[in-house]
Parts: sequence; C-alpha cells; structure tokens
Amino acid sequence: DVKVTQSSRYLVKRTGEKVFLECVQDMDHENMFWYRQDPGLGLRLIYFSYDVKMKEKGDIPEGYSVSREKKERFSLILESASTNQTSMYLCASLTAGRVQPQHFGDGTRLSIL
Amino acid sequence: AQSVTQLGSHVSVSEGALVLLRCNYSSSVPPYLFWYVQYPNQGLQLLLKYTTGATLVKGINGFEAEFKKSETSFHLTKPSAHMSDAAEYFCAVRDTGFQKLVFGTGTRLLVSP
Repeated sequence: DVKVTQSSRYLVKRTGEKVFLECVQDMDHENMFWYRQDPGLGLRLIYFSYDVKMKEKGDIPEGYSVSREKKERFSLILESASTNQTSMYLCASLTAGRVQPQHFGDGTRLSIL
Repeated sequence: AQSVTQLGSHVSVSEGALVLLRCNYSSSVPPYLFWYVQYPNQGLQLLLKYTTGATLVKGINGFEAEFKKSETSFHLTKPSAHMSDAAEYFCAVRDTGFQKLVFGTGTRLLVSP
C-alpha cells in the first residue's frame, strides 16, 4: 500500500513565523500535491510538483511556497504565517501516466495564533 | 475549466436507509470522476472511480456510483446505511491530460440509529 506521511498531525505557530510542513511518500510517485481544507470550501490546491525541483502553482498559492529536493519529499512553506492560514493541510501523491487516484496523508491541522 | 457541485452540505439518514449523495460536474472533455471519504481526523480515502467503460462503478464498503453523461452527474449511493458510514464525502473530477483534481465542497453524512 502507498504510504503518504505528514510529519505533524497538529501544529500551533505564531503570526509571522516561518512554518514548514513536510510530506513523504514511499512509492516513488512523480506527482505530489498540497491542499488546504476548510469547512464549506472543500479541498483547494495550493501547489503541486510533477518532478524533483519542479513546481506549479495551484488555485491558492499566495502566501505559500514549496520545495521538492528529493522525489519522495514535498515541503510546504508558509513564509510568514498569518491567522487566515489556520486550516487543515493535506498532502497527496500520484504516479504519472495512468488514471490512478491520488493517495492522501492524514493531514496536518495547523493553528496560527 | 472543470468544476464539481455537491448538493447538500449535510445529509441525514437513519441506519438501514438508502444513502444518496449528489454530484454534478462540468467538463469540456470526457471526465475522470472520483468519490473520496474522509473519517474524522483522517486523510481522504478513495471509495471508487470512473474512467471509461461501465457507467455503474462499485466501490468499497458497499458504495456505488453511476456516471450519467446526459445529466453530467456521478451520484453516490448505498442501499443500506450503517453507523460507520458517518463521514464526509468528496466528489472530484480530474483534468484530462493533467494530474490535478478539482473537488466539490463535500457532503457530511450523518447516520442516526
């Protein structure tokens, strides 16, 4: 089974801090994604990556950046955390070239105080 | 651009009753469609997917969905609800040729004894 591991289940940070959310997958997937989930809004794509060192903006990239230095790891960075970034963050991975479902981690619930 | 509409942010059923969760999509090309389930404090788990072929798709836990092109719908059903089905359900459409998913806003299923 595919395993997507997010480093923290719960995280509390302060306004203005630089925050790192880490995601690791163990299936050699080319594609990785970061979403945020908010009540009534569903999942919204922040960034995705289709290869090492490659990244593409999703629908709501403002205030975020990403890093993919190794194929298995995709990091989401909040450059200067703000209270409106309090949310559930979900990472997913997907193999390329076939119609396969995305595999999700268990999420990180981030609170910015 | 692809989009997904899920009618009803909350659906309540009694244990043993029929479950019907509605999903309508818009897509300029034949879509790939997915239903995911999210249990409390967990990530998303794939229930079922439609890519091509048979329009009635069976998934895990007794769920199934029917792709109706003329109605641009992909409703999720289960003949008899169980207490363990209480969760949030997301419909998603994938951009053909791309790896991104577009999610609906989700429907929370409540099951009463």
